[in-house]
Amino acid sequence: GNSVTQMEGPVTLSEEAFLTINCTYTATGYPSLFWYVQYPGEGLQLLLKATKADDKGSNKGFEATYRKETTSFHLEKGSVQVSDSAVYFCALSVPTGGGNKLTFGTGTQLKVEL
Amino acid sequence: DTEVTQTPKHLVMGMTNKKSLKCEQHMGHRAMYWYKQKAKKPPELMFVYSYEKLSINESVPSRFSPECPNSSLLNLHLHALQPEDSALYLCASSQVGVPPSEQYFGPGTRLTVT
Repeated sequence: GNSVTQMEGPVTLSEEAFLTINCTYTATGYPSLFWYVQYPGEGLQLLLKATKADDKGSNKGFEATYRKETTSFHLEKGSVQVSDSAVYFCALSVPTGGGNKLTFGTGTQLKVEL
Repeated sequence: DTEVTQTPKHLVMGMTNKKSLKCEQHMGHRAMYWYKQKAKKPPELMFVYSYEKLSINESVPSRFSPECPNSSLLNLHLHALQPEDSALYLCASSQVGVPPSEQYFGPGTRLTVT
């Protein structure tokens, strides 16, 4: 079956520190990969995506590269801000013949302190 | 416009009540989804509609009854719920096709069953 493994949290960083959240996946076929972010009390927001090997998704200073050889999609940001504090979910999606089925990792809580 | 709207934002209901959650999107997406999310956990898929037809039911109890009246609307009818059904209920929508596209999430309905 399909699965996503991401690093346990919480991750606590000082403002302007470098962020890496590791994500690896297992899937049959050719999944699309996503990072979603969830702020307290809100729904999920798409942060970035990649649909094929070697694609790099980027948004708001965050980046992740679809690595087929290592089955990974690690999230990075060069300089985090307090406003980046949230829960980050790595996910993969495969077509089901009717819509897409998202498989999520367990989520990583990020806390950024001044 | 990449907005998915959900009403109500909060709902408190007794175990004998009947209530409905509503979801709307105007992005022309032909797949719509219901998820249940418990605190500190990733969303769990409940139902998928594709072209207004139910395509996936993840063995959800019959006290949850989905309905897709048209391509923009998705309802979740609730009846005789249990306290363990208290959670954040998220609606999402996406394009249908390959490669699998991103899902756009609404802000959710926070449901409390008393």
